[in-house]
Amino acid sequence: DAKTTQPNSMESNEEEPVHLPCNHSTISGTDYIHWYRQLPSQGPEYVIHGLTSNVNNRMASLAIAEDRKSSTLILHRATLRDAAVYYCILRDDSGGGADGLTFGKGTHLIIQP
Amino acid sequence: DAGITQSPRHKVTETGTPVTLRCHQTENHRYMYWYRQDPGHGLRLIHYSYGVKDTDKGEVSDGYSVSRSKTEDFLLTLESATSSQTSVYFCAISESQVRSPLHFGNGTRLTVT
Repeated sequence: DAKTTQPNSMESNEEEPVHLPCNHSTISGTDYIHWYRQLPSQGPEYVIHGLTSNVNNRMASLAIAEDRKSSTLILHRATLRDAAVYYCILRDDSGGGADGLTFGKGTHLIIQP
Repeated sequence: DAGITQSPRHKVTETGTPVTLRCHQTENHRYMYWYRQDPGHGLRLIHYSYGVKDTDKGEVSDGYSVSRSKTEDFLLTLESATSSQTSVYFCAISESQVRSPLHFGNGTRLTVT
């Protein structure tokens, strides 16, 4: 799987937007960009995914660079409950993909009240 | 929340004893996965299943075996537990390949003394 690079940690204030960056310079044309998050003492939770176009759902927005070498997860208004580790993962659509996801170390997001 | 139940939630066992962890789903999803999570290593795939009686190895399969005799149950067995298998184990399910998100259970904390 292609590799992603994320900052180890980020800090933001409650009720403000948060932009979590991810670099994936070796992304291939069949790689989808997935974001998961893991709250303390819980299993990972799916957030959003996309291929080329920007995506929005009730949890977040995903902005994908035109060359697809980077992406940004946007939390529009952070709450204390958004404090978690956020994982940016590339998943290849070409080979069946039954072998799950490969997790890196992610970004530890700290939300200050 | 996806209907995933992991049992037990916590277990303490002695080195050399067999241990079986159970993952039960009520979503009728085809794909099931076992991950372990350790400090400094993040989440790593142990085994996965793409159907009843169809399983394959992941990144860290040594010392583990799995079985899937029914769609809803995926068992992870440590034939002879070792202290290096002390970890938090997560089960995940997915409806189809690649584009479907993985849904994770709340984990089993296993301590091998």
